[in-house]
Amino acid sequence: DVKVTQSSRYLVKRTGEKVFLECVQDMDHENMFWYRQDPGLGLRLIYFSYDVKMKEKGDIPEGYSVSREKKERFSLILESASTNQTSMYLCASRAGGMDYGYTFGSGTRLTVV
Amino acid sequence: DAKTTQPTSMDCAEGRAANLPCNHSTISGNEYVYWYRQIHSQGPQYIIHGLKNNETNEMASLIITEDRKSSTLILPHATLRDTAVYYCIAGAGAGSYQLTFGKGTKLSVIP
Repeated sequence: DVKVTQSSRYLVKRTGEKVFLECVQDMDHENMFWYRQDPGLGLRLIYFSYDVKMKEKGDIPEGYSVSREKKERFSLILESASTNQTSMYLCASRAGGMDYGYTFGSGTRLTVV
Repeated sequence: DAKTTQPTSMDCAEGRAANLPCNHSTISGNEYVYWYRQIHSQGPQYIIHGLKNNETNEMASLIITEDRKSSTLILPHATLRDTAVYYCIAGAGAGSYQLTFGKGTKLSVIP
C-alpha cells in the first residue's frame, strides 16, 4: 500500500522553538505539498515542491520554510514557533502529469504553548 | 483551479445511496474533477476522479454532466463509516501543481 508518512501525530512545542515536521513518501512522486487546516478555514497551502531542491510558496508561507534534499522527503520548518501556528499540518504528494490526485498523510496536530 | 460549489451539509440514511452534488461551471477543458473525503482528525482520502466520462471504482461512482459544469458523487450503500466531509475539486490541469480545497459537504449517515 502506498504511503505518505508524517513523523509525528501529535506535537507540543514552546513559543520561539524551531520546529521540524517531516514527511516521507514511498511512491516516487515528483510533487509534495504542505497544508495547514484550521476550523472554518479549510486546507490552506503553505509550500510545495515539484522537484528535489525546488520549492514554491503557497498561499500562507509566512513564518515557514521548507527543505527537499531527497525526492521522498519534504520537511516543513517553523523557524520560531508562535501560538498562531497551532494547527493540523497535512503533507501530500502527487505524481507529475494531469491525471493524478493527491495522497495525504495522516496529519500532525501541532500545539504551540 | 475552477471554483466549486457544494452544499454545506447533507444527511443520508444508512444503507441508502448518498448523492453529493458539485457545481463547477467555470471548469476548463483539461481540468479533472476530483473527490476526496476527510474523516474527523485524519488526512483527506482520495475517492475518485474523472475528466468527461462517468467513472466507477470500489468506493463510489462519479457522474459528470455532458457540459461538465456539474458532477455528482454517488456512494451506493452508505454506512456510518462514510460520515465525513466530502470535497469536490476541479483543477490540476496542464501546468498546475496544486489542488484547491473548498469547504466541502459534511455528510452525516444516520442509523
